[in-house]
Amino acid sequence: DPKIIQKPKYLVAVTGSEKILICEQYLGHNAMYWYRQSAKKPLEFMFSYSYQKLMDNQTASSRFQPQSSKKNHLDLQITALKPDDSATYFCASSQGTGGNYAEQFFGPGTRLTVL
Amino acid sequence: GDSVTQTEGLVTLTEGLPVMLNCTYQTIYSNAFLFWYVHYLNESPWLLLRSSTDNKRTEHQGFHATLHKSSSSFHLQKSSAQLSDSALYYCALSVWGGRALIFGTGTTVSVSP
Repeated sequence: DPKIIQKPKYLVAVTGSEKILICEQYLGHNAMYWYRQSAKKPLEFMFSYSYQKLMDNQTASSRFQPQSSKKNHLDLQITALKPDDSATYFCASSQGTGGNYAEQFFGPGTRLTVL
Repeated sequence: GDSVTQTEGLVTLTEGLPVMLNCTYQTIYSNAFLFWYVHYLNESPWLLLRSSTDNKRTEHQGFHATLHKSSSSFHLQKSSAQLSDSALYYCALSVWGGRALIFGTGTTVSVSP
């Protein structure tokens, strides 16, 4: 059974619209993250949450808003979509932060295409 | 800022030959954690190796790496490549107590018979 679920797997959106990317983890982890991988670029850290609180935000744009309704959920709302937002978005989680708890497990990703 | 450099974009080799992927990093913090992640096409990246201990060799699934803080390096090696090793390999750095991972550009390894 998949331990980290991301929905949908593929998403096509029009410029200016709004989408929500879903992430649920069933590993019992306390920390969750979002990363983005644009074409021909490395994985790029976006946000980290620990116990449902925002810890780090490396995303310059306020159009990207993480939402944590439950400890094992971390959704990503993206508003006013632009073609440059096209990327694969990976959710990840870890038992905790720091030291031996730092191992992050990744979900399968959501591939977003903005037309 | 903190960064990771992987100099090889693509490594092609024949099965049975040794593999070495370079990884160097930059950070002002002394508490660096280094990771190697493997990313197979259409799958999730998963952790292959990690280390925060200077000059200690860490091994997993035939791969090994040693963190050298003096040279800020964490090169990945394997003595004999297998076809199943063909994948994208990322070196990553964490300095915020294990929160954000800073990834290198990745090295694609292609192993042929």
